[in-house]
Amino acid sequence: AQSVTQLDSQVPVFEEAPVELRCNYSSSVSVYLFWYVQYPNQGLQLLLKYLSGSTLVKGINGFEAEFNKSQTSFHLRKPSVHISDTAEYFCAVTRTSGGSYIPTFGRGTSLIVHP
Amino acid sequence: DTGVSQNPRHKITKRGQNVTFRCDPISEHNRLYWYRQTLGQGPEFLTYFQNEAQLEKSRLLSDRFSAERPKGSFSTLEIQRTEQGDSAMYLCASSLVPGFGNEQFFGPGTRLTVL
Repeated sequence: AQSVTQLDSQVPVFEEAPVELRCNYSSSVSVYLFWYVQYPNQGLQLLLKYLSGSTLVKGINGFEAEFNKSQTSFHLRKPSVHISDTAEYFCAVTRTSGGSYIPTFGRGTSLIVHP
Repeated sequence: DTGVSQNPRHKITKRGQNVTFRCDPISEHNRLYWYRQTLGQGPEFLTYFQNEAQLEKSRLLSDRFSAERPKGSFSTLEIQRTEQGDSAMYLCASSLVPGFGNEQFFGPGTRLTVL
């Protein structure tokens, strides 16, 4: 079984400042890793995903994440945030093979961008 | 293609009533998932379909819950004899498997309030 820990429930930051949202996972098998964003009263939208290859993954809206296998982490970063980035962010993992590919989600991190 | 749609977007019901939600996935997607999301939590898996076959159900899915996907197209999730603890956002997602990483596309959700 897999598990995901998002270490911060809330991250307040000022506009144009950099931000990092932390995600650690636990799994006995190889995993794919995802970050999703959820705006108020909406469903989840994929920001980026790590499947294989380069450990630095670039996504939409200027976000990027780095897969660190030794630390079992997949932290999300953005060099300069905007007010519109205020949302809930979810990290998720799924097995790469031999299963139903059902993702396990973290509890989410609320990013609050102040002007 | 307009993405995954869900109806209704909001449902208020009295305890003990039955409710039914509908999900229309992306047309070429063969997998359809149902999740429940409560405040401050990530999505929790309920069940999924591959085409018309329901392949897995979570222990969260009590016998008051039933889901169908006739003809492998849209899906319905019914909750019988609703309880206040059923109040949550119900999310539907679809994906194409085998695919690259099983990226899931989410609908906007149906928010259920049980009074």
